[in-house]
Amino acid sequence: AQKITQTQPGMFVQEKEAVTLDCTYDTSDPSYGLFWYKQPSSGEMIFLIYQGSYDQQNATEGRYSLNFQKARKSANLVISASQLGDSAMYFCAMREGNTNAGKSTFGDGTTLTVKP
Amino acid sequence: EAGVAQSPRYKIIEKRQSVAFWCNPISGHATLYWYQQILGQGPKLLIQFQNNGVVDDSQLPKDRFSAERLKGVDSTLKIQPAKLEDSAVYLCASSLEPGLAAEAFFGQGTRLTVV
Repeated sequence: AQKITQTQPGMFVQEKEAVTLDCTYDTSDPSYGLFWYKQPSSGEMIFLIYQGSYDQQNATEGRYSLNFQKARKSANLVISASQLGDSAMYFCAMREGNTNAGKSTFGDGTTLTVKP
Repeated sequence: EAGVAQSPRYKIIEKRQSVAFWCNPISGHATLYWYQQILGQGPKLLIQFQNNGVVDDSQLPKDRFSAERLKGVDSTLKIQPAKLEDSAVYLCASSLEPGLAAEAFFGQGTRLTVV
């Protein structure tokens, strides 16, 4: 079974508007971390935001916030005030287990296009 | 601070040939990861090192792929012999320490084309 599911292959948003990118996950491990990365066309993966499974509050980093709904196993990324430079591929990832290994799993990504 | 360095950036080889990729992580980062990213998919973890020891290589096709991090710093990933389905971007990442919240920093990747 897919551990990370990103159901939106592509999304469009108007510049300056907010957009939500969906991510659902599957794990039986009580300890896990959820990450969002941005991958521009140049190829490098850029860390955006992190949410731990025991964190009580939703994570925020500047214009990025993570809508964490633990019971629904969802970790949606919200980008506020979209900018043209936000056009990129976005990946949701999960790291499981409170061990050194901390297995990492990525979703297949969502391509975001910001329209001027 | 220098980022994660990878070389080469691009490589084209014929099937059944061998190829090696090199990664130099951020200085002081104990954890190093190699990922394979096939076009249109998310990265798949191939191997994770903690210093010079392997902590996870469950998804590494060990009949053809090998990786080492002998001195606990830079690392090489080798494919021998290559198959057409190995065409992908190979990403190296490092983090200061292991653990759930450890932020991984990625290199720009090596794009491998097997013809």
